[in-house]
Amino acid sequence: DGGITQSPKYLFRKEGQNVTLSCEQNLNHDAMYWYRQDPGQGLRLIYYSQIVNDFQKGDIAEGYSVSREKKESFPLTVTSAQKNPTAFYLCASSIGFLNTEAFFGQGTRLTVV
Amino acid sequence: SQQGEEDPQALSIQEGENATMNCSYKTSINNLQWYRQNSGRGLVHLILIRSNEREKHSGRLRVTLDTSKKSSSLLITASRAADTASYFCATGMIKAAGNKLTFGGGTRVLVKP
Repeated sequence: DGGITQSPKYLFRKEGQNVTLSCEQNLNHDAMYWYRQDPGQGLRLIYYSQIVNDFQKGDIAEGYSVSREKKESFPLTVTSAQKNPTAFYLCASSIGFLNTEAFFGQGTRLTVV
Repeated sequence: SQQGEEDPQALSIQEGENATMNCSYKTSINNLQWYRQNSGRGLVHLILIRSNEREKHSGRLRVTLDTSKKSSSLLITASRAADTASYFCATGMIKAAGNKLTFGGGTRVLVKP
């Protein structure tokens, strides 16, 4: 089945550790996105990528890093510089051309312990 | 900062009633999209309206767009308990760096049976 897969579903991090969230898609989409969602809030854009080997900062990129070495993969690293990382993280992809919908993964819930 | 802002933040209605929610945005857009999110899950695309369109229908959904007022509305007719979810608008903008999709804070809809 075609889709977008995030793993793990739940992730626990100790303070001071870096963690990497996985996002893989087999939809052959060019564009990929990472969003952060806090309880009862909307989605805030962390990073987005239009094409392999290129990505742009979103509205809240500080404390996060990404890579786009393959078209189907867009991992997000939450670094120790992110002071309040506990949140629900959503990855999405789209064909990348004008006026196309985004497909979302089921999310990763990150908790700092 | 959020590009789209939904109103109201929360809505409670009886099954069979219509639900209307609004979205306002700040800058020029290429398209506006509406998404639905069930609690703790990823987002599902509902409908996309281009900047040169004024109204669009999909099943029980009707979306309007007024670019002069920078606003959009989503109407769900004859609501069902299964429509209980959060609804988000998202604005699509083509930037030099790619296709940026920015979400609002959402409207939480409760449909009581």
